[in-house]
Amino acid sequence: EILLTQSPAIIAASPGEKVTITCSASSSVSYMNWYQQKPGSSPKIWIYGISNLASGVPARFSGSGSGTSFSFTINSMEAEDVATYYCQQRSSYPPTFGGGTKLEIK
Amino acid sequence: EVQLQQSGPELEKPGASVKISCKASGYSFTGYNMNWVKQSNGKSLEWIGNIDPYYGGTSYNQKFKGKATLTVDKSSSTAYMQLKSLTSEDSAVYYCARREALYYAMDYWGQGTSVTVSS
Repeated sequence: EILLTQSPAIIAASPGEKVTITCSASSSVSYMNWYQQKPGSSPKIWIYGISNLASGVPARFSGSGSGTSFSFTINSMEAEDVATYYCQQRSSYPPTFGGGTKLEIK
Repeated sequence: EVQLQQSGPELEKPGASVKISCKASGYSFTGYNMNWVKQSNGKSLEWIGNIDPYYGGTSYNQKFKGKATLTVDKSSSTAYMQLKSLTSEDSAVYYCARREALYYAMDYWGQGTSVTVSS
């Protein structure tokens, strides 16, 4: 099973600040997906296939990486971005998720 | 509009079984693999398994083999997950999620079904 380690576990950012979350895989993966989950709601696909934004996701979000190291970036933090973000790999069974990064606003 | 409508919350006693449903609408049910995901107490997400609604073939996370059974009813576009021999460790929110074909991302999710196991 591929272990995904996200860091940081919690991050607080000011409006307008750049935010970067990393996801480290225990073995090389081909693609990485990212999900956003707000309290009391289901996860939503946010970025798929490393860098493709899901429908409706603002352009201030981006994803990058390869192999065992992937990043999720918000160019300019907004209040509506407060949520927990999870990375997920599908290159190896079983699909696994990272532990999540809780994003708060200062 | 793609929608996955899950059944309501469940309260079960230890040792019992529960069957959760996920009714799909707005797309061709047999064209997309359906996944099930567990989220315990606001923690991270665990993949339980998936089912191909067209052929009925299933894949399970080893951790959930013997615990979860996935089935579908094509006539009603509904996926089911049965959990047996429930313990307190099974108390969680369970989601169904459609899997898209290219990157295997879970692109649509149900609203979640809360299962509480308590005597």
